[in-house]
Amino acid sequence: SQTIHQWPATLVQPVGSPLSLECTVEGTSNPNLYWYRQAAGRGLQLLFYSVGIGQISSEVPQNLSASRPQDRQFILSSKKLLLSDSGFYLCAWSAWGGSSGNTIYFGEGSWLTVV
Amino acid sequence: SQKIEQNSEALNIQEGKTATLTCNYTNYSPAYLQWYRQDPGRGPVFLLLIRENEKEKRKERLKVTFDTTLKQSLFHITASQPADSATYLCALGGGATNKLIFGTGTLLAVQP
Repeated sequence: SQTIHQWPATLVQPVGSPLSLECTVEGTSNPNLYWYRQAAGRGLQLLFYSVGIGQISSEVPQNLSASRPQDRQFILSSKKLLLSDSGFYLCAWSAWGGSSGNTIYFGEGSWLTVV
Repeated sequence: SQKIEQNSEALNIQEGKTATLTCNYTNYSPAYLQWYRQDPGRGPVFLLLIRENEKEKRKERLKVTFDTTLKQSLFHITASQPADSATYLCALGGGATNKLIFGTGTLLAVQP
């Protein structure tokens, strides 16, 4: 069966420090991968999605970047964190070719607090 | 721009009653609509998907309707239980990338 792992689960980082959140998917090949952010009391905002290795699309201009060095690995990074980067970050995957509406499976999330 | 609206206020109902949650959208013609459940501090979990050419979909105590003319989906939980208490998110999507746009969610509280 497919599983998705995301880490770290919780982190507190000072303003201006770097960030790296990692996500891996097991049990599937060539998945679509996504990074979402959920601010307190707000909905899920799509940050990045990827349909293949090295293929990253950004949905909103921001202080973050994403990379996909391997088929089932997705990394969210920042060189210098801002207070506004605080939130709940969720990695997710879906089967490739979702025009018919494939389910998106979410990881357990990473709580980021920038202080 | 695309906009999805869900009841921002919490929905409180009595155990055994039917809960009805609403999802309205504008400036979008989705190929499908999905409903997810999210518990506090956890990632959302998929519940149901309904396509643009479908009017209604059922799964156990859950029922979803999709009216593309009204640009609205209704999500029903019959015989609700306290364990159904959670935030429910609707999401619209379409296209090969399967990008989903999520609403802000509605918090459902089922009182015993």
